[in-house]
Amino acid sequence: QIQLVESGGGVVQSGRSLRLSCLTSGFTFSNFGMHWVRQAPGKGLEWVAVMSNDGYDVKYADSVKGRTTISRDTSRNTLYLQMNSLRREDTAVYYCARGDPGQYSSSSGSLEYWGQGTLVTVSS
Amino acid sequence: SYELAQSPSVSVSPGQTASITCSGDKLSDKYVSWYQQQSGQSPVLVIYQDTKRPPGISERFSASNFGNTATLTISGTQEMDEAEYYCQAWDSGTMLFGGGTKMTVL
Repeated sequence: QIQLVESGGGVVQSGRSLRLSCLTSGFTFSNFGMHWVRQAPGKGLEWVAVMSNDGYDVKYADSVKGRTTISRDTSRNTLYLQMNSLRREDTAVYYCARGDPGQYSSSSGSLEYWGQGTLVTVSS
Repeated sequence: SYELAQSPSVSVSPGQTASITCSGDKLSDKYVSWYQQQSGQSPVLVIYQDTKRPPGISERFSASNFGNTATLTISGTQEMDEAEYYCQAWDSGTMLFGGGTKMTVL
């Protein structure tokens, strides 16, 4: 069955960096756009970033642009999120999610499969 | 910037029909998806492309999108439907979520 398993969360000091990973299985990773979505404690969902199925197109929310890099390793079926210059407001559960297949995978569609999330806590 | 507005909460009695709305400028020009998030769980896609249900989602979930408002309708509401519901759309190449609606079944 389809699985997405995030890892890499933890407690990190403000200004430091962290890399999250999302190991996927059960589907052809290279066919689908992949997203990161976060949820601050007690708050709603906030979209963070997307990478197209072929890795050529990436987009970021304004709140993380310039500090964050999404990437993928097709040989490992793994999605990454490199987060730099972390701020207290980056504290959240980070979910990876599978988007749509194909050429519009980074500009349209919905998120049919989600991981269980990994908690990032940024301390001062 | 484009925003999706949802009422913070809605209450419904078991067996009744619940309606959750999501508003945005000319929202019907966009595809809307809906997600259910039960307490402590990851979100689950319940509606995509305005009206379609993914496999395994109950027929009690339906939706529409007209004008500036998309609506998620849950018929024959059950206690298991108590959750936060989020609408989602795309605007200018980025994905957006509504603020969420907490549905209480009592």
